[in-house]
Amino acid sequence: AQKVTQAQTEISVVEKEDVTLDCVYETRDTTYYLFWYKQPPSGELVFLIRRNSFDEQNEISGRYSWNFQKSTSSFNFTITASQVVDSAVYFCALSEVNTPGRRALTFGSGTRLQVQP
Amino acid sequence: EAGVVQSPRYKIIEKKQPVAFWCNPISGHNTLYWYRQNLGQGPELLIRYENEEAVDDSQLPKDRFSAERLKGVDSTLKIQPAELGDSAVYLCASSSNRELGKLTSYEQYFGPGTRLTVT
Repeated sequence: AQKVTQAQTEISVVEKEDVTLDCVYETRDTTYYLFWYKQPPSGELVFLIRRNSFDEQNEISGRYSWNFQKSTSSFNFTITASQVVDSAVYFCALSEVNTPGRRALTFGSGTRLQVQP
Repeated sequence: EAGVVQSPRYKIIEKKQPVAFWCNPISGHNTLYWYRQNLGQGPELLIRYENEEAVDDSQLPKDRFSAERLKGVDSTLKIQPAELGDSAVYLCASSSNRELGKLTSYEQYFGPGTRLTVT
């Protein structure tokens, strides 16, 4: 069965520090998507990034970057030069492609990030 | 482009009472999802619709929960009767199943949710 683990329950950093959020996943599917979502205090889940299982190229988008490694089943997310507005709960999620019943997202338990001014 | 709309945003009811939540997905999105998010946890799927057909409702507690998506657009999720353990945030999401090369993206966009408190 698919599973997403976010071992970090809460992280607190000071503004301008870099912070990495860890995500480890389990799946038997060979084709899948991985996502990061942000949930600010307002409650709405905001899509951040998506990666498919065939593309391990790591990218940078503004202050966000991610490190996808199939060998360790990890999909870590880094915020560079953190800002107070980055304070939120961050969720890693998995979507399997070849299993129709699992195209919905399987979420981790989330990591609460607090950025102190 | 308007996002996913949900109402009400908050609902407080007594146990054993019925309650209904409404969702309007992003225009053109054929897939609609209902998730439940308990405090301190990630969302968990309740039901997924492809157009008007419920294609995955294995996690929906069918003894008290029901859902419908008439005409393949808006959707309603109902609980009757509500129990104390149903207190949670109910999230609606939609996706367009875009083709990205050889793969289909099931990127989902979420509404603001309905926070249900059962007393």
